[in-house]
Amino acid sequence: QSALTQPASVSGSPGQSITISCTGSSSDVGIYNLVSWYQQHPGKAPKLMIYEATRRPSGVSQRFSGSKSGNTASLTISGLQAEDEADYYCCSYAGSDAPGYVFGTGTKVTVV
Amino acid sequence: QVQLVESGGGVVQPGRSLRLSCATSGFTFNTHGMHWVRQAPGKGLDWVALIWYDGSIKYYADSVKGRFTISRDNSKNTLSLQMNSLTADDTAVYYCATEYTGTPGVWGQGTLVTVSS
Repeated sequence: QSALTQPASVSGSPGQSITISCTGSSSDVGIYNLVSWYQQHPGKAPKLMIYEATRRPSGVSQRFSGSKSGNTASLTISGLQAEDEADYYCCSYAGSDAPGYVFGTGTKVTVV
Repeated sequence: QVQLVESGGGVVQPGRSLRLSCATSGFTFNTHGMHWVRQAPGKGLDWVALIWYDGSIKYYADSVKGRFTISRDNSKNTLSLQMNSLTADDTAVYYCATEYTGTPGVWGQGTLVTVSS
């Protein structure tokens, strides 16, 4: 199972909105709604930000939103803040024939 | 609150075995599936294994199938990962995580496994 494709880096100024893409295939992102997004600060464990493509866990800021179209999922961060600077990973269920999950390549978000 | 604490990491020679544990608290362990996910130094996340809430079903990544075994003890609220025939490619921080509606939910802080001679 190949990793999902994400841009290596995305940057934005405070207050701006940025979008991170996550491209998979018809075997994972395209067929299942089980796409999630994680935020990881240096030296820390990942934190779940979005699940089931568009849903936010309790306690996650409304500035984070998710969407999906075809084989591509996206994470949008609105009103960018300095604390949003981190690595972001998407993840998709990969199905019972290839059981398990596949992560994205990761995107470094920089607040300039 | 939910707490997951991994242990058992360390330096191990290629070909040897290691057993990781994940002690849990703050939630009803025996109603949740559990994942192991790893991250090689400076690299991205790599899903390893999933076990259902009752241990009846287990899924593995192709890269560890036949070498790693995920298990759980619901009487002790503990998750384990038995790793055999380790190679340098298995060097990583290993995280345990709760299963949350089809994805890893809450994660522990991880334990580092280094495979080196």
